[in-house]
Amino acid sequence: DAGVIQSPRHEVTEMGQEVTLRCKPISGHDYLFWYRQTMMRGLELLIYFNNNVPIDDSGMPEDRFSAKMPNASFSTLKIQPSEPRDSAVYFCASSSRGLAGGMTGELFFGEGSRLTVL
Amino acid sequence: DQQVKQNSPSLSVQEGRISILNCDYTNSMFDYFLWYKKYPAEGPTFLISISSIKDKNEDGRFTVFLNKSAKHLSLHIVPSQPGDSAVYFCAASAYANDMRFGAGTRLTVKP
Repeated sequence: DAGVIQSPRHEVTEMGQEVTLRCKPISGHDYLFWYRQTMMRGLELLIYFNNNVPIDDSGMPEDRFSAKMPNASFSTLKIQPSEPRDSAVYFCASSSRGLAGGMTGELFFGEGSRLTVL
Repeated sequence: DQQVKQNSPSLSVQEGRISILNCDYTNSMFDYFLWYKKYPAEGPTFLISISSIKDKNEDGRFTVFLNKSAKHLSLHIVPSQPGDSAVYFCAASAYANDMRFGAGTRLTVKP
C-alpha cells in the first residue's frame, strides 16, 4: 500500500482565497483524521471521521474551515476564506478498527500539506 | 484545551547517553498512550505505545513508562544515537476513539 496520500504538498495563496487540501487514506482504514501543526500548539486535532461520518469537529477553528469525506477513499479540508494565521502544516492520518471496537491506537500519517497564506 | 502537555520544547543529549522525554495529561479517561517521531518534511511515525493497564513497555532501545496516579508518562531512549534526532510527540487516546497530541519535544543527539 502507498500509505496516506496528501495533496498538494505545498500551497501558497493570498488572503481571502479558497484552499482545498486533499487526502487519500490507507485502504481498509475506518478512521480518518485531520491535524494541524503549528510551532506554538504542536499537533492539533481538527476533525475526525469514522466510516465517512464526522464524529468530532470540535477542533475546527471556525466556520471558515470545513471537511468532508464523500467516500472511504477520499477526504477534503477546505478553508474559505483563508487568512495568514491559517499558515501551518496540515496532516491527514488514518487508522484501522481495533479489537475493542475502537482504534488500534496507531495512526498512519501522510507527509502533510504546507500552507502559506500571504 | 491542552489535554496532553509536553513542557520541554527541546532536549539535547550526548550520543550514547540516555534521553528522557516527558509528557503529562489531564484527562483521566485516556487509556492508551503513544509516542510518535517526526523528521523534517515528513509525517509523524508511530514509535511505541502503552495501555493504561501496564506501567512499562519496552521495544529495543525505547521504553515507555506510565504513572497513572501522576498522569505522567515518559519515553526513555538508551543509548541515544544521532539518528534519533527528531521531534517526539506524546499522544493519548480515550475510548471515544480520538487521539490528542502534545506540542512535541525536539531531541538533538550530539555525536
